[in-house]
Order: sequence, then structure tokens, then C-alpha cells
Amino acid sequence: AQSVTQPDIHITVSEGASLELRCNYSYGATPYLFWYVQSPGQGLQLLLKYFSGDTLVQGIKGFEAEFKRSQSSFNLRKPSVHWSDAAEYFCAVGPTTSGTYKYIFGTGTRLKVLA
Amino acid sequence: DTAVSQTPKYLVTQMGNDKSIKCEQNLGHDTMYWYKQDSKKFLKIMFSYNNKELIINETVPNRFSPKSPDKAHLNLHINSLELGDSAVYFCASSLLRGGADEQYFGPGTRLTVT
Repeated sequence: AQSVTQPDIHITVSEGASLELRCNYSYGATPYLFWYVQSPGQGLQLLLKYFSGDTLVQGIKGFEAEFKRSQSSFNLRKPSVHWSDAAEYFCAVGPTTSGTYKYIFGTGTRLKVLA
Repeated sequence: DTAVSQTPKYLVTQMGNDKSIKCEQNLGHDTMYWYKQDSKKFLKIMFSYNNKELIINETVPNRFSPKSPDKAHLNLHINSLELGDSAVYFCASSLLRGGADEQYFGPGTRLTVT
């Protein structure tokens, strides 16, 4: 069965510092992978997605993520964090074409940004 | 223009009541979803409809009943509300029911059962 693990529940970084949020997935084939951000009191917004091709994916708000098949990882990165990046971040695996049509979400990582 | 909208945004009610949450998407998507997000931010899929056909029906109490009058609308009706139903409920939509299409989420409905 597909699963997604986000090992870090909370991460605190200083404004201007770099950021890496970890995501590991369990799936037999190449999955469809997504990162979403949820600002306080808001719905989830897509940051970026990967389904094939270049393993380094660029997203909105200066985020990028790298798919590493050998490590079953899809970590999210940003070179310089802004205070407005403080939010909850979710990694997700998309439904397979022959599966259950479910997106599987990780438990989220809450990012706190220090001024 | 709001892509996925939900009403109401906040819902406070007493145990035992029946309530509904409405969702509408103007993206022309074929598939819509209901998620429950608990106090720890865990997102759990509840239901999904594709062109008015139920394709995901997770293990939720049968007090929860989704209804899709057309592919742009997916409503959630909850009977006999319990304290444990307190959560944020998100509606989402996607173009197709499988593959690389991302989901678009509504702003959420915070349900508080007292």
C-alpha cells in the first residue's frame, strides 16, 4: 500500500536561512508526488508536483523539490526563507491509474520562521 | 473568482443535530472529494465522486452522507452530530480521478460540536 512519511513534525528556521523539508514515500512504481502548503485558516495550495522527467522540480514561491528514486524521497527546499513561509507543509502521493483513486497525504510539517 | 468554495466557513452546533456543508467548484473538474482534518492537521479522505459517481467511500460512520447533484457540486450531510465530528472539513476537486492532476482545495469548514 502507498504511504507517505514526513519525519519532522515541527521545523524552526531563521528568516533568510535555507530550508529542507523531508518526505519519504512507499510505492512500487514511480509515484505522482506533490507538495502542498496550508497557511493558517486556509485550504491547501499546490507548491509543485512531480510525475516524470527532470527529477528537480521548480514550484511557486521559490520552492523546489528533488525526486530521488534510490532514497524514495521527495524533499522540499528553499534557499532563503521568508517570514510569510510560516505554514503547514504536506507531501502527498497521487492516485495510481489502476488503484483506489486516493491521494495519500503525509502528516505535515509545521514551519516556524524566526525574525 | 473562487475556484472551490465551501459554505459555511464556520459551523457551531450541538450534539445530536443534523447539518450540511456545501461545496461548489467552477473549474470544470470531473472529480470532487471530502477530507476531514483533525486537530493534529492529519488529512483523511472521506469520499470522492467522479461525474456524480461515488468512487471513494472510506470507513466513515454512516451518519455522513455525501450527495453530488451534478459534477460541480458535492455536499456533505451529517446526521446526529457527535463531539468527535469536530474538525475542519475540506472539499477538493481534480480534473481526473487518477494520475498526475493536482487537487484544488476549498477554504475549509470548521465544525465545532458542543
